Amino acid sequence: QVQLVESGGGVVQPGRSLRLSCAASGFTFSNYAMNWVRQAPGKGLEWVAVISYDGSNEYYADSVKGRFTISRDNSKNTLYLQMNSLRPEDTSVYYCAKDSGYSGRTSRFEYWGQGTLVTVSS
Amino acid sequence: QSVLTQPPSVSAAPGQKVTISCSGSGSNIGNNYVSWYQQLPGTAPKLLIYENNKRPSGIPDRFSGSKSGTSATLGITGLQTGDEADYYCGTWDNSLINVVFGGGTKLTVL
Repeated sequence: QVQLVESGGGVVQPGRSLRLSCAASGFTFSNYAMNWVRQAPGKGLEWVAVISYDGSNEYYADSVKGRFTISRDNSKNTLYLQMNSLRPEDTSVYYCAKDSGYSGRTSRFEYWGQGTLVTVSS
Repeated sequence: QSVLTQPPSVSAAPGQKVTISCSGSGSNIGNNYVSWYQQLPGTAPKLLIYENNKRPSGIPDRFSGSKSGTSATLGITGLQTGDEADYYCGTWDNSLINVVFGGGTKLTVL
């Protein structure tokens, strides 16, 4: 069965960095695009970024462009989100989500992890 | 302010039917497939509908989706108390080069 397990969340001061990981299993990771989606406390879903199956294409929400970098290691079946220059408004639960295709230009997220909480506060 | 517009809340009695609307534009809903997600309290979102009107395996046919022009609709029949959740629409936006979500609709089964 498909499993996505996020890790790396925690409390971090504004301006600092954090790297999230998402360990995937139960499917051929290298065949699918992968996404990060976040949800601030009590708020709705906000898409963050997507990376294509081979890492050749990445797209970002304007709110994180230039600060966050999505990457993947297909040999380790792992997705990453490097978050720099963190702001209080980045405080959210961060979910990784498996795309239905390889390119990533879809909204069909078949599987989601349980999420990891990132709190940006001094 | 979300790119896709959903009503903040809807409600109906058990056994009844409810619809949730999702309004967008030509750069998103008008030219791309729409997905719908259910998020039960304290859990990750779950895919309910993809490609406007298709259901993943395991999703009951009480849930349906449709699209017309730049709007989409989620329908739920035979409402159950277990359907109380937040529902989100989502699609790709060709101008933003982003996935966009609606602000979410809270369903209350009275």
